[in-house]
Amino acid sequence: GDSVTQMEGPVTLSEEACLTINCTYTATGYPSLFWYVQYPGEGLQLLLKATKADDKGSNKGFEATYRKETTSFHLEKGSVQVSDSAVYFCGLGAGGTSYGKLTFGQGTILTVHP
Amino acid sequence: DGGITQSPKYLFRKEGQNVTLSCEQNLNHDAMYWYRQDPGQGLRLIYYSQIVNDFQKGDIAEGYSVSREKKESFPLTVTSAQKNPTAFYLCASTPLGREPLTDTQYFGPGTRLTVL
Repeated sequence: GDSVTQMEGPVTLSEEACLTINCTYTATGYPSLFWYVQYPGEGLQLLLKATKADDKGSNKGFEATYRKETTSFHLEKGSVQVSDSAVYFCGLGAGGTSYGKLTFGQGTILTVHP
Repeated sequence: DGGITQSPKYLFRKEGQNVTLSCEQNLNHDAMYWYRQDPGQGLRLIYYSQIVNDFQKGDIAEGYSVSREKKESFPLTVTSAQKNPTAFYLCASTPLGREPLTDTQYFGPGTRLTVL
């Protein structure tokens, strides 16, 4: 079945440091890939997405590129802020008869210190 | 404003009592989902529904029940059969075919259930 593996956290960075959160997936066909962010005590918000190989999703300074050859969708940001502290989830949508279901990784906690 | 609402935000119940969590959406989305979130375990799918009066079990449906009598509403009941119900519960929806990226899910703010 489909699965998503994220790098284990927690990740602790100083403000303005570079961020990479690794995400790899296993799926048949051509899934859509997502990054969601969850701030403390809230639901998940879509951060960015990509629907086909070599697509780059970007939002709020975050980027991720759909790499089919390495089955990866790593999240990157060049300079993090304290306000980026949250839990980040990588997700996969198989489309078709999966009826919109998503498979999520276990989440990576990011803490950014001033 | 369109969105997904979950109520209440915090819920306390005694062990052995059934409890129903509310989820309402005014996005005109076809499919709705319930997830359970525990620390360090990510999101696990409990139930999902693609259309009114139809729903399917997810990965951890035991001890839970749902109904989908209206397109906008997908309440989740946590029954006394659920052995460890204390968790954060998230509801989500997706339009299924009304936009190019039909897998994008939109989430509510969640309900934190604590069983005493």
